[in-house]
Amino acid sequence: GAGVSQSPSNKVTEKGKDVELRCDPISGHTALYWYRQSLGQGLEFLIYFQGNSAPDKSGLPSDRFSAERTGGSVSTLTIQRTQQEDSAVYLCASRAGGGPGAKNIQYFGAGTRLSVL
Amino acid sequence: DAKTTQPNSMESNEEEPVHLPCNHSTISGTDYIHWYRQLPSQGPEYVIHGLTSNVNNRMASLAIAEDRKSSTLILHRATLRDAAVYYCIPPVQGAQKLVFGQGTRLTINP
Repeated sequence: GAGVSQSPSNKVTEKGKDVELRCDPISGHTALYWYRQSLGQGLEFLIYFQGNSAPDKSGLPSDRFSAERTGGSVSTLTIQRTQQEDSAVYLCASRAGGGPGAKNIQYFGAGTRLSVL
Repeated sequence: DAKTTQPNSMESNEEEPVHLPCNHSTISGTDYIHWYRQLPSQGPEYVIHGLTSNVNNRMASLAIAEDRKSSTLILHRATLRDAAVYYCIPPVQGAQKLVFGQGTRLTINP
């Protein structure tokens, strides 16, 4: 079946503009994650959605970052007033249910490469 | 939360076995150890996970120390396509996120 799909694959924007990044998770997966990977850096957790529960936003770096997940499926990560330090690859992952202590098998998309000029 | 320590890089030859170590001496509880890898220009990919005993799947084997303070990912016959950054992921108490360290960059020589 189809994997996690992200769009666009590349996005170039000017400093100060808003951007929206989209993630289509694997059908039926209740958990959805956003991570980012800056050049030469490791992967950094941003936000986590699980079913109808309140999202875990503990990884969002500033209030310019927000995300929503509509209908328990597609998710959009929005970055307002982009800065050059926001340049990174933004990765989305989904997972089929599970809870604490369960196997944490996440399926990642190919990512959106964001470049802020 | 448990922390992991991995070598920054390793090198091996094609068709030879590769043993990738991970130290997670602060691990506690009954959470799984997961391994992921990231091939160039791709998102991370799940490799294997385990709790207390050794595990095998089509991609690799995972050997977990009896005290659970370390584990070793084993690629039995490395291919050029196995060149990637390999991440040993510690369990995070009460959370579902994956915490990625710097991982081990594996280079495979033809």
